[in-house]
Amino acid sequence: DIQMTQSPSSLSASVGDRVTITCQASQDISKFLNWYQQKPGKAPKLLIYDTSNLEKGVPSRFSGSGSGTDFTFTISSLQPEDIATYFCQQYDYLPITFGQGTRLEIK
Amino acid sequence: EVQLVESGGGLIQPGGSLRLSCAASGFTVMSNYISWVRQAPGKGLEWVSVIYSGGSTYYADSVKGRFTISRDNSKNTLYLQLNSLRAEDTAVYYCARHVDASLGPIDYWGQGTLVTVSS
Repeated sequence: DIQMTQSPSSLSASVGDRVTITCQASQDISKFLNWYQQKPGKAPKLLIYDTSNLEKGVPSRFSGSGSGTDFTFTISSLQPEDIATYFCQQYDYLPITFGQGTRLEIK
Repeated sequence: EVQLVESGGGLIQPGGSLRLSCAASGFTVMSNYISWVRQAPGKGLEWVSVIYSGGSTYYADSVKGRFTISRDNSKNTLYLQLNSLRAEDTAVYYCARHVDASLGPIDYWGQGTLVTVSS
């Protein structure tokens, strides 16, 4: 199975800050990496697909980059409504695997 | 509008069985790959199973031989049969649609149904 190592596990930042989360795959997954946002008590929501593509309706302050084994998710200017847990997910191979999540808090 | 509505969760004793349902609307379940993903309380996301548009099915090792995914095209509904349940199966179970007939991104999720395995 492909292990997805996501860091940090938690992060505290101020409104307006640039926030970066990384995800490392245990083997090459090409571009097949997605990012989801999950708010408490809610289902996850797709933000970024195939490493760097912004899902329709998602604000442009969210972005993604990387390839192969190393991937980055960035919020360019943190907003209060971005408080959530973020997960990366690979789908190059079954089983589909997720990172352990990054809990983002406002400082 | 695409919607996925899960049902069937509840409290069940270890070793018991449960069948989860996922009623789909706004698309046909035959046209997309659909997965079940679970989340234990306070934990991360764990993929459980997928059914391809052609009907092939795949499972996580943790549930292989105990869980069965299926669909009823006439009812546009997906199912997950959970047998030989264990305490570690306690989780919210989400039905999740992949963006098309491939293992692509998951673009729609249900609201989830909670399964609690406890004596």
